Amino acid sequence: GAVVSQHPSRVICKSGTSVKIECRSLDFQATTMFWYRQFPKQSLMLMATSNEGSKATYEQGVEKDKFLINHASLTLSTLTVTSAHPEDSSFYICSARDGRALLSDIQYFGAGTRLSVL
Amino acid sequence: KNQVEQSPQSLIILEGKNCTLQCNYTVSPFSNLRWYKQDTGRGPVSLTIMTFSENTKSNGRYTATLDADTKQSSLHITASQLSDSASYICVVSHSTDSWGKLQFGAGTQVVVTP
Repeated sequence: GAVVSQHPSRVICKSGTSVKIECRSLDFQATTMFWYRQFPKQSLMLMATSNEGSKATYEQGVEKDKFLINHASLTLSTLTVTSAHPEDSSFYICSARDGRALLSDIQYFGAGTRLSVL
Repeated sequence: KNQVEQSPQSLIILEGKNCTLQCNYTVSPFSNLRWYKQDTGRGPVSLTIMTFSENTKSNGRYTATLDADTKQSSLHITASQLSDSASYICVVSHSTDSWGKLQFGAGTQVVVTP
């Protein structure tokens, strides 16, 4: 099946620094990628939808200047948490939509990134 | 209000026993329903996906059912194993959402004990 690689799997950083998370589709072209956030014992919450070559669409309440998304190619999207604070500590998960089947909305998930801000 | 409701929130079962998880949704119009397994600290992994015309789908010891009329789905785990301990998430896709946005349930936390 399709593989989505997310890196790093875990990151610990100091408050005020920026952290970049990468999401790659390894064996298919992802015209659309999604970024989710998940707090303990809660479900995934969509943060933004990223389309290759265009600006990301952010969900209500998500600060676009705080969470920078770049989708420069059909296989790579990045999420940068800028000036991270302890409240940004969470589990971030990306997913990629397989663009080969136009009528398909199948998404494949990355393994997630555990961000801990000290 | 969440458009995808799962029950129970959590359950504990003995190894080797069967269990059934429930999912009720109000998403409309509806495209497909998926069940995912999410291990702690990992991303979700797809178990089954069903369109509105399908009413059952199996993947090994996992069997999902769908009643599109009543907007209900279930996931049945047969002969549970310790490795089945995870969160099981019901996810529903809008048929009119060309961006592919998904509606997630809160998940059912399953713990399989020896």
